[in-house]
Amino acid sequence: RKEVEQDPGPFNVPEGATVAFNCTYSNSASQSFFWYRQDCRKEPKLLMSVYSSGNEDGRFTAQLNRASQYISLLIRDSKLSDSATYLCVVNHDYKLSFGAGTTVTVRA
Amino acid sequence: GAGVSQTPSNKVTEKGKYVELRCDPISGHTALYWYRQSLGQGPEFLIYFQGTGAADDSGLPNDRFFAVRPEGSVSTLKIQRTERGDSAVYLCASSFTSGSVNEQFFGPGTRLTVL
Repeated sequence: RKEVEQDPGPFNVPEGATVAFNCTYSNSASQSFFWYRQDCRKEPKLLMSVYSSGNEDGRFTAQLNRASQYISLLIRDSKLSDSATYLCVVNHDYKLSFGAGTTVTVRA
Repeated sequence: GAGVSQTPSNKVTEKGKYVELRCDPISGHTALYWYRQSLGQGPEFLIYFQGTGAADDSGLPNDRFFAVRPEGSVSTLKIQRTERGDSAVYLCASSFTSGSVNEQFFGPGTRLTVL
């Protein structure tokens, strides 16, 4: 079983729509949680950390449920520039474990 | 400031050859990581350096893979007797220190193709 499981999508949404997706992780000792964004043939870049209380960064909202080992990301008012692969990432000490990514395409 | 840099950006080699991939971390970052990303997958951990020493090499797939960081800055990932299954993007990341809260900054990767 993979350590981080994500719905691969693709999610194909119109501009302005809300899109949400999630992941689950298997290591209950995971210490910190992130969403990374990866554009085609580029390196992953940190989008946001995820906290148990839930957190927002502009149009992005992330939630963490430690009991269920479940992480979610919601994007409001989608922009064309939000088209990317979103990687769910968990950290145990120094080691990052990545999901395979959820592909989001925002169309005009 | 300069980010993580990796050279070469692309490497095509033949099965059985030896390759070296180089990573220049962000200046002042003590922790350095190598990951490998296959098509359609997320990056997978290979090895972690704290300073000059490999603190965890548990992700290296077999003994054909080896990495060094002799002066605690630049790192080289070395692959002997390459196989077609080694084809992937090799990503290097660095962080100011290790630990669960320190953001890892990724380089652009080296795309390795083994023919």
